Amino acid sequence: KAGVTQTPRYLIKTRGQQVTLSCSPISGHRSVSWYQQTPGQGLQFLFEYFSETQRNKGNFPGRFSGRQFSNSRSEMNVSTLELGDSALYLCASSLGDRNTEAFFGQGTRLTVV
Amino acid sequence: GQNIDQPTEMTATEGAIVQINCTYQTSGFNGLFWYQQHAGEAPTFLSYNVLDGLEEKGRFSSFLSRSKGYSYLLLKELQMKDSASYLCAVRVAPSGNTPLVFGKGTRLSVIA
Repeated sequence: KAGVTQTPRYLIKTRGQQVTLSCSPISGHRSVSWYQQTPGQGLQFLFEYFSETQRNKGNFPGRFSGRQFSNSRSEMNVSTLELGDSALYLCASSLGDRNTEAFFGQGTRLTVV
Repeated sequence: GQNIDQPTEMTATEGAIVQINCTYQTSGFNGLFWYQQHAGEAPTFLSYNVLDGLEEKGRFSSFLSRSKGYSYLLLKELQMKDSASYLCAVRVAPSGNTPLVFGKGTRLSVIA
């Protein structure tokens, strides 16, 4: 069974640009969550999608947005990039039911210069 | 707000036992997870506790006390490959599937 796939693995962008990251969950998983990981803050929740609907949202500005497609694949978009957006962005998929574990992808390392 | 505390770094010797503590103060509790993350890799699931007590899985055990807001991860017979970050995470909502709130992680170094 294929794991969670995130593309691209590495990305370098300039301040002010926008970026789109992609996540393909494990087959059969309907929930996709996005996290930002930085050395100072650890893993912070961005948002979760379930059956194409945003089910939960963290405390990030509106520049961070996402969506989920009918095949459960998800994309995350960050507009007007800032230097502080440099981080590892992780996607986690799960069945979406209560108490089920989340499986993480390898992440996308975003560097904003 | 939600608060999950873990030590930042720990060092232990190969073959020894190490205990990584996690304390939490959250608005709700619906389970505690431990993940292992090697540098440059994805976090991988280690254990899940929702009831008080000890869950054992091979060399790894995890303990939970809900009344104390406390958990620990116990690693026995340490191996060099156990050098990694260990993340404690709480599912906060009282019911349903909600995102995990993570601690900042404990970086464990296993030395010979």
